[in-house]
Amino acid sequence: GENVEQHPSTLSVQEGDSAVIKCTYSDSASNYFPWYKQELGKRPQLIIDIRSNVGEKKDQRIAVTLNKTAKHFSLHITETQPEDSAVYFCAASVYQAGTALIFGKGTTLSVSS
Amino acid sequence: SAVISQKPSRDICQRGTSLTIQCQVDSQVTMMFWYRQQPGQSLTLIATANQGSEATYESGFVIDKFPISRPNLTFSTLTVSNMSPEDSSIYLCSVGTSGRATNEQFFGPGTRLTVL
Repeated sequence: GENVEQHPSTLSVQEGDSAVIKCTYSDSASNYFPWYKQELGKRPQLIIDIRSNVGEKKDQRIAVTLNKTAKHFSLHITETQPEDSAVYFCAASVYQAGTALIFGKGTTLSVSS
Repeated sequence: SAVISQKPSRDICQRGTSLTIQCQVDSQVTMMFWYRQQPGQSLTLIATANQGSEATYESGFVIDKFPISRPNLTFSTLTVSNMSPEDSSIYLCSVGTSGRATNEQFFGPGTRLTVL
């Protein structure tokens, strides 16, 4: 089955710096890679996703890149703000409705002002 | 996205008892998923619940311990049976967007379970 590795487990940055979180996956059949943000005591929220026919996707300050050959994908947050502090999870699945997500172990991002 | 609710939001239970968690969605969805999130950990898939058929369980999870019902396209329950302190976790349901080729999934607010 699919296995998703995520690094680093913790990341501390200064406000305004960039943050990068990396994930690798094992199953070459996976073709859908979402990222979730989970604030303390709240549910995971989908913030961005990418499908395997795309190499990069941006949404304002966040972007995701995908390298299918190397089986890794990354989340990039630019101009970080204190409200970006949260746990971020990457996940992988096959892109069709009804396929469960396999999650990485999460990255705790702390943005200090 | 769908509006998802869970009941109860939290509970404290005694060892050996059972708790049934409800997940309600405001629109029809084909698949619902149940995840467990242990304190400070990631999300682990327990099972996939398909309406009208038996749930599909992941390795390490069995139907006798986590029976699931899916009576219709907007509702599912997960029961945590014969609980022990190791079952203390947040239990979350998620649903996929129905009706188009997508795998966007959205989570309910979770049920925080503490077993004494």
